[in-house]
Amino acid sequence: GDSVTQMEGPVTLSEEAFLTINCTYTATGYPSLFWYVQYPGEGLQLLLKATKADDKGSNKGFEATYRKETTSFHLEKGSVQVSDSAVYFCALNARGAQKLVFGQGTRLTINP
Amino acid sequence: GAGVSQSPSNKVTEKGKDVELRCDPISGHTALYWYRQSLGQGLEFLIYFQGNSAPDKSGLPSDRFSAERTGGSVSTLTIQRTQQEDSAVYLCASSLSIAGLTDTQYFGPGTRLTVL
Repeated sequence: GDSVTQMEGPVTLSEEAFLTINCTYTATGYPSLFWYVQYPGEGLQLLLKATKADDKGSNKGFEATYRKETTSFHLEKGSVQVSDSAVYFCALNARGAQKLVFGQGTRLTINP
Repeated sequence: GAGVSQSPSNKVTEKGKDVELRCDPISGHTALYWYRQSLGQGLEFLIYFQGNSAPDKSGLPSDRFSAERTGGSVSTLTIQRTQQEDSAVYLCASSLSIAGLTDTQYFGPGTRLTVL
């Protein structure tokens, strides 16, 4: 079945460091791919998405590129801030299906 | 506008009791989803509604779990004879569900269920 595998956490970085959180997927066909973020005490929010191969999603300085050849959707940010501390979830939505399939989440902590 | 709302925000119950969790989707959203977030299992899909019908119930873990949606709006997730393994955060999401487009699902704050 469809699945998402995320880089294991927790991840701790200093402010202004470069961030990469790896995400790979297994799915039939060409799914849509998402990154959701859960800030402390808040609900899940969509961070960015990409619906077809080579699409790049971006928001709040974060970027992720849909790579069909490597079945990946890695999240990157050039310079993280303390306010980026949160749990990040990679997810897919298979064609013809409505449900989201989530990775296990990566807890990110940014120290000043 | 108003987002997805869920009630109660916290629920503590005793093993064997029934509980009802409520979700109020974003106005105009025809699709509604229930997920469960637990430490051991991560985020799991439970059920999907399109209007008042549920074409995908594949994630409901047992027949103790049921859900309904009335008037194409509010949904209730019911867990009968609760067990300790039902303890989790139950998340509701809604989306516009426009044919041919990739839907963005908008999540509510969740209901934290603790079964003692």
